[in-house]
Amino acid sequence: EAQVTQNPRYLITVTGKKLTVTCSQNMNHEYMSWYRQDPGLGLRQIYYSMNVEVTDKGDVPEGYKVSRKEKRNFPLILESPSPNQTSLYFCASSFAGYEQYFGPGTRLTVT
Amino acid sequence: AQSVSQHNHHVILSEAASLELGCNYSYGGTVNLFWYVQYPGQHLQLLLKYFSGDPLVKGIKGFEAEFIKSKFSFNLRKPSVQWSDTAEYFCAVNFYGQNFVFGPGTRLSVLP
Repeated sequence: EAQVTQNPRYLITVTGKKLTVTCSQNMNHEYMSWYRQDPGLGLRQIYYSMNVEVTDKGDVPEGYKVSRKEKRNFPLILESPSPNQTSLYFCASSFAGYEQYFGPGTRLTVT
Repeated sequence: AQSVSQHNHHVILSEAASLELGCNYSYGGTVNLFWYVQYPGQHLQLLLKYFSGDPLVKGIKGFEAEFIKSKFSFNLRKPSVQWSDTAEYFCAVNFYGQNFVFGPGTRLSVLP
């Protein structure tokens, strides 16, 4: 089944404790992206990747890192999480220019 | 910077009313256009898309959208909404086959 998977789906952590949210797709898509969704602010793009080893900042990259070492995986790294990074995170993938497929979301709470 | 705007933040309709949600994007050039829907507690799902050809495109669940190039617009329509259409709707644009830009979203509430 074609899908985008994210893990974990829910995470509660403390300020400053490094964490990684994984994203994986099985559709051989070149393009992958991370978004955060907050009430009243819509979807905001964090980072995106046009292909392996090619990443670029989105609208809100501060406090986040990404890597794209393999085509199928695009992990999101929070080196030192802070409470303002409490949010719902979505990973998405697509062929370049075509519709994005979204993962189920990761709800992160930083206390 | 490229941008996408949506005309309404929150729309409230009664069942059977007609719906039109506005979407405009900056600049022209080659664009691919999308509408996504997010039902409460779920992830985004594709409603419809436009790449080229007939500017009136039909999607799932009775939705359609019209691309007007001269107005940089891609408005979503449905002739008769149902309670189950209550959701958030996002317009998205892919510029030049590169990055995607999403609009801020429009929350639709349909009253039974």
